[in-house]
Amino acid sequence: EDQVTQSPEALRLQEGESSSLNCSYTVSGLRGLFWYRQDPGKGPEFLFTLYSAGEEKEKERLKATLTKKESFLHITAPKPEDSATYLCAVRGSGYALNFGKGTSLLVTP
Amino acid sequence: SAVISQKPSRDICQRGTSLTIQCQVDSQVTMMFWYRQQPGQSLTLIATANQGSEATYESGFVIDKFPISRPNLTFSTLTVSNMSPEDSSIYLCSVATGTYNEQFFGPGTRLTVL
Repeated sequence: EDQVTQSPEALRLQEGESSSLNCSYTVSGLRGLFWYRQDPGKGPEFLFTLYSAGEEKEKERLKATLTKKESFLHITAPKPEDSATYLCAVRGSGYALNFGKGTSLLVTP
Repeated sequence: SAVISQKPSRDICQRGTSLTIQCQVDSQVTMMFWYRQQPGQSLTLIATANQGSEATYESGFVIDKFPISRPNLTFSTLTVSNMSPEDSSIYLCSVATGTYNEQFFGPGTRLTVL
């Protein structure tokens, strides 16, 4: 059974203080690891899909990396507008996604 | 990408009633998904809806409780039947595009059952 574990559950950063979010996974035949951002009261916003170990993708202050067991979402010099819940999900043999519980990020000025 | 809208955005319902949630996509898609996000929890897949075939339900979800329609490639509905307070949740529609390497979500329907 696919499993996704995200850590930490919550993270508080000062503006400009870089950090990383972790997503550990077990899946039979990874067909994609997905990162989403979710703001309160809204649906998840697609950020990245990673497919193979060693792959990296970047978007503004965010960079996602992938190994065979985990993915990291690096946040460089975060701003208050980066505050949100970040969700990790995997796609295995089917088409639907299996989500972790998310990391709630708060960036203070 | 795909632009997805859901109606209603939120509702408050009485126990024992039913609510139908609509999902509209701005382009034709083969696969649509319905997820539930309970308070403080992550997203859980309810069912996969393909046009022209019966929806496929995940373990713990049944058609009598969550009937789904998929009349065409841009629209789907999810009904939450005989509601109880435990059904209070956010219900999200999602679509997979292209080679299924990107999946996009609607804004969600926030349901409260009293």
